[in-house]
Amino acid sequence: ETGVTQTPRHLVMGMTNKKSLKCEQHLGHNAMYWYKQSAKKPLELMFVYNFKEQTENNSVPSRFSPECPNSSHLFLHLHTLQPEDSALYLCASSQVGQGLETQYFGPGTRLLVL
Amino acid sequence: TQLLEQSPQFLSIQEGENLTVYCNSSSVFSSLQWYRQEPGEGPVLLVTVVTGGEVKKLKRLTFQFGDARKDSSLHITAAQPGDTGLYLCAGADSWGKLQFGAGTQVVVTP
Repeated sequence: ETGVTQTPRHLVMGMTNKKSLKCEQHLGHNAMYWYKQSAKKPLELMFVYNFKEQTENNSVPSRFSPECPNSSHLFLHLHTLQPEDSALYLCASSQVGQGLETQYFGPGTRLLVL
Repeated sequence: TQLLEQSPQFLSIQEGENLTVYCNSSSVFSSLQWYRQEPGEGPVLLVTVVTGGEVKKLKRLTFQFGDARKDSSLHITAAQPGDTGLYLCAGADSWGKLQFGAGTQVVVTP
């Protein structure tokens, strides 16, 4: 595997379900991100982890719970979601601290909440 | 909050035509990036511009950063169906934090 991978690619869940999204980066980067992409809206940054430590939480509801066990893996645990949470969830990674930063994105998980 | 506005929201053209998409803000950015996102994929970086007035070319794509580093444009010459995608601009503040625009959906038909 190369780059940034995400699983599952598609997920349908009910409002009472609990599920987790997984992201893995094979680039040796030290920062990882979760974004939410809804139609016709800018990408919304949800969480940022630098060296496994959460450095940013953009007022995300507690029904979204991130986990970063190491610098290569990032999870987003989901519980009691709402239909408006349906969106494409993108994971990205970057190497922070070396000048201009480029974020590398995974293919995303398309989430539908019923 | 640095708001980035992209225009137009949607653009449909025939193969061989030229197009320009715009990214505007009232705020100054340290750098600005352009990404292209194809269906079922995440955004992929096309270019980063840093200096006011900078122009970068990537084959048939020309990127320009405004003199005041508040706006940018992407011009595609002789568009091809492979240029179809969502074009996103993202401005970086002095800490490197990215702010994305909503994107311009470009469709190039044969």
